[in-house]
Amino acid sequence: SQQGEEDPQALSIQEGENATMNCSYKTSINNLQWYRQNSGRGLVHLILIRSNEREKHSGRLRVTLDTSKKSSSLLITASRAADTASYFCAGGANSKLTFGKGITLSVRP
Amino acid sequence: GAVVSQHPSWVICKSGTSVKIECRSLDFQATTMFWYRQFPKQSLMLMATSNEGSKATYEQGVEKDKFLINHASLTLSTLTVTSAHPEDSSFYICSALTRGIHGYTFGSGTRLTVV
Repeated sequence: SQQGEEDPQALSIQEGENATMNCSYKTSINNLQWYRQNSGRGLVHLILIRSNEREKHSGRLRVTLDTSKKSSSLLITASRAADTASYFCAGGANSKLTFGKGITLSVRP
Repeated sequence: GAVVSQHPSWVICKSGTSVKIECRSLDFQATTMFWYRQFPKQSLMLMATSNEGSKATYEQGVEKDKFLINHASLTLSTLTVTSAHPEDSSFYICSALTRGIHGYTFGSGTRLTVV
């Protein structure tokens, strides 16, 4: 079964704008991770936030986690055309990762 | 860092034949490997978890006799799709549980097309 429900499911923005993607999950997690996937390729790990953390930054990425609402958001600042990809959140628990449906981000040059 | 090499990256096979996908951990020992399937424009669905030296644990709805998983060594796990049918056409990805920062290292995926 899938863990997360991301919204929006597709997002199109102009280069330089910020992109915000949200994810909600259903069951208890130890951590929440965000991954990126270019079309037809493997996954690239972006960032991990533990269940006892509320916010984390990594370069142009900012992730938040609200365990009371079972939700997370990923913010990509100053987007670039190269950020065009699908983004997935995944909840980690008991050594397993359960992925959400994914968001397709298109950044127009 | 940890690297998982997955081969082949793509394969086309005829209906009724079997296809083997390999995932090798190149510089670490992968005691646990996860196998996912991803249909076009959909998310990754966990198929099974394999632990070295023991039988794989399959997720509900995944046929263990169709998707044979072997994890005979600490550096190699294989997924064999037996008697493949067109509906098995999908993107298959492995992931090794590691001790890295985020705990998982993914292979690059295998695009299987059954004709």
